[in-house]
Amino acid sequence: DAKTTQPTSMDCAEGRAANLPCNHSTISGNEYVYWYRQIHSQGPQYIIHGLKNNETNEMASLIITEDRKSSTLILPHATLRDTAVYYCIVRVSTGANSKLTFGKGITLSVRP
Amino acid sequence: GAGVSQSPSNKVTEKGKDVELRCDPISGHTALYWYRQRLGQGLEFLIYFQGNSAPDKSGLPSDRFSAERTGESVSTLTIQRTQQEDSAVYLCASSLGGAGWDEQYFGPGTRLTVT
Repeated sequence: DAKTTQPTSMDCAEGRAANLPCNHSTISGNEYVYWYRQIHSQGPQYIIHGLKNNETNEMASLIITEDRKSSTLILPHATLRDTAVYYCIVRVSTGANSKLTFGKGITLSVRP
Repeated sequence: GAGVSQSPSNKVTEKGKDVELRCDPISGHTALYWYRQRLGQGLEFLIYFQGNSAPDKSGLPSDRFSAERTGESVSTLTIQRTQQEDSAVYLCASSLGGAGWDEQYFGPGTRLTVT
């Protein structure tokens, strides 16, 4: 699976958009970009995933660059409960042996 | 419905003792994963079960670690002769196990402290 790089941390004000970047310059054509988050003392939680088109769900939006070498997770209106570690992962989407390889992620702190 | 549950939530053990951690996956999920998370680190894959196929044990760090799963139900992760470096949160996840995108649902984890 391709390696990802993320900043160590960032913060944003409550109610503002949080834009979390991720670089995955060695991504292969059949690898998807996934985002998970982990709130303190809880297990990771799936947020969103995409291949090359931008995606949006009730939690967030995912913007993938045209060359697919980087992406941005957008939380449109961050709340204090969004404070967590956010993991960007790239892997082949397959039911067979779909283990997730997590890096250290980016710690998002939402301030009042 | 019920999510993935793990027990115990916390376990403190002395170096050299054996420990057994339990995971109850979501009903109907054929795939089950164990991960380890050391303090301040990301998740490390340990082992993967899919239905009746042979498990993928490629992430187990040593032969002191083993895991079993009976059918598509409960799984136990056993660590023999625990060492201090085994201290971590052990996370279990389950998924439907079908082809294509397959979201993993994580349990709350078991925090293991080896003294």
